[in-house]
This record gives sequence, C-alpha cells and structure tokens, in this order.
Amino acid sequence: KAGVTQTPRYLIKTRGQQVTLSCSPISGHRSVSWYQQTPGQGLQFLFEYFSETQRNKGNFPGRFSGRQFSNSRSEMNVSTLELGDSALYLCASSRTGTSSSYEQYFGPGTRLTVT
Amino acid sequence: KQEVTQIPAALSVPEGENLVLNCSFTDSAIYNLQWFRQDPGKGLTSLLLIQSSQREQTSGRLNASLDKSSGRSTLYIAASQPGDSATYLCAVEETSGSRLTFGEGTQLTVNP
Repeated sequence: KAGVTQTPRYLIKTRGQQVTLSCSPISGHRSVSWYQQTPGQGLQFLFEYFSETQRNKGNFPGRFSGRQFSNSRSEMNVSTLELGDSALYLCASSRTGTSSSYEQYFGPGTRLTVT
Repeated sequence: KQEVTQIPAALSVPEGENLVLNCSFTDSAIYNLQWFRQDPGKGLTSLLLIQSSQREQTSGRLNASLDKSSGRSTLYIAASQPGDSATYLCAVEETSGSRLTFGEGTQLTVNP
C-alpha cells in the first residue's frame, strides 16, 4: 500500500511569488491535514480537509489556503511569499475525518525555501 | 489552548540502555495521543497511538503509556540501538477533530 506522497519535494521561490504544493493521501483515507515545520515554531497545524470541505483551520494568515478534490488529493497554496514562509510543509492523511483513534500518516514533506 | 511539552529536549545514551521520554499536555480532554519519530530532513513516522481510554500500547521495543488525568505520557525504549537515533515527537489529538498539537520533540542520540 503506497504511503502519503507529496510533490514537489524541494522548491525554491522568490519573495512575492506564489506556490502550490500537492499531497496524495493513502488510498481510502479521506482526511488530509497540512502542517508547517520550522526550527523556531516547531510543527504547526495549517488546516484539515475532509470530503472536499475544510473542517479545521490553524492560526495562519489568509495567504495560506488549500483545497481537496473528490479523489481526496489535496493542494495548498501560499500567495505573496515571505522569507518566513521557508519551512518543511508536511501533509498527513487518516482513515476518517471524524475525531477518532485512527493514526495519522505523514508524507515526506516539501521543503520550501523563499529567497 | 492545548500546550504540549517534551522533556528532555535532547538525550544521548550508550547503545543497549533503556530510556524514557516524557510528554505532558495541559488539557486532558484529548481523543488520543500519538508518538512519532522524525529523521533529519524527513517526514514523520508513526510509532504508537494510544486512545484516550487506554493506558498503554506496545510495539516491539517500544512501550507508550498515557495518564490522561495528570496530562502525561511516556515513551519507553528498551535496549536502545544506534538506529533509534532520531527526534521523537508526541502529539495530542483534541476533541475538535483531526488537529494534532505537537511537542517540540526530544532529540535522541544512541552511541555505539
């Protein structure tokens, strides 16, 4: 069974640009969550999607957005990039979106560098 | 607001030693607690998940316990090996859904 995949793995962008990251969950998983990991702030929750609907949102500015498609694949977009957006962006999927005892499985992440 | 703390921040031990990593959380209203390991520059690997109604879970050399009322969890690693070297993170899933709140992690080094 394939794990969570994220593309691209590495990305270099310039301040002011926008970027789109993609996440394909484990087959059968309908919940997809996104996290940002930085040395200073650790792992912070961005948002979670279930059945194409955003169910939870973290404390990030509106420049961060996402969506989920009918096949559960998800994308996140960051507009008007800032230097502080440089981070490892991790996607996680779980079997169901209802709060339960199901494990969350993480992808390898996308390393975004903003110059 | 849920806060998760992990102690110690870093730990260096000789191979073969048994060790305990600690995790505490401020709000006991959790659905579950999950332990992960992260190798440098990589994603997270799930190690153990403890449901809020459980007291412990075991997988191989790993044993995780949960005391929800006191807001604490421990991860016990038996007979540590150099391959166990990684950062270990605990995370709680809150009642509001699939949002995980993470601790800062414990960086473990097992010396041969």
